[in-house]
Amino acid sequence: DQQVKQNSPSLSVQEGRISILNCDYTNSMFDYFLWYKKYPAEGPTFLISISSIKDKNEDGRFTVFLNKSAKHLSLHIVPSQPGDSAVYFCAVTNFGNEKLTFGTGTRLTIIP
Amino acid sequence: SAVISQKPSRDICQRGTSLTIQCQVDSQVTMMFWYRQQPGQSLTLIATANQGSEATYESGFVIDKFPISRPNLTFSTLTVSNMSPEDSSIYLCSVEDPQDRMDYTFGSGTRLTVV
Repeated sequence: DQQVKQNSPSLSVQEGRISILNCDYTNSMFDYFLWYKKYPAEGPTFLISISSIKDKNEDGRFTVFLNKSAKHLSLHIVPSQPGDSAVYFCAVTNFGNEKLTFGTGTRLTIIP
Repeated sequence: SAVISQKPSRDICQRGTSLTIQCQVDSQVTMMFWYRQQPGQSLTLIATANQGSEATYESGFVIDKFPISRPNLTFSTLTVSNMSPEDSSIYLCSVEDPQDRMDYTFGSGTRLTVV
């Protein structure tokens, strides 16, 4: 039972354009959402997060959007850069739970 | 954010043997988490390790297979016991930053291959 899904296993985007990564979850009790980036042979690194009281959070080139009614979040990267090529995981949790449930990941490739 | 040193970074092991993975954190943390990432799949939580008590295992994971130690607030080990090729995965530890709740830091991972 996959509670968090990233339906696109891979995505290719031209350098300078916008990358949009999507994530769907099934449990409306989740109230905190995170995005991680993972390079080969490294652990995931935190990118950006959003709590359920917001619908948008922005940090530089990265913006996360949350649509609670659709149980959907997305990560926008603009402009995309070659260094953004990595696997991106969304993760969900509850305040007070401390456990993260991860999505299946999307491999983003930025084409120079 | 907390800094985690995880070792070994990779290992190739014979089936039937055991491997112990270590994680050292540069600050005191209440809970440490151990994850597994099987090839082509997501990160799955194995167990949560609290200092001074037994680890809490997720469904599908048992202490006999994945014993965990947590001797103090900065260190934990995960042992993969009696290994089979199906245990070939990346194993990662993680902590919640004590200064910034909901900020989780991961170790660099241990890539295990069982032959």
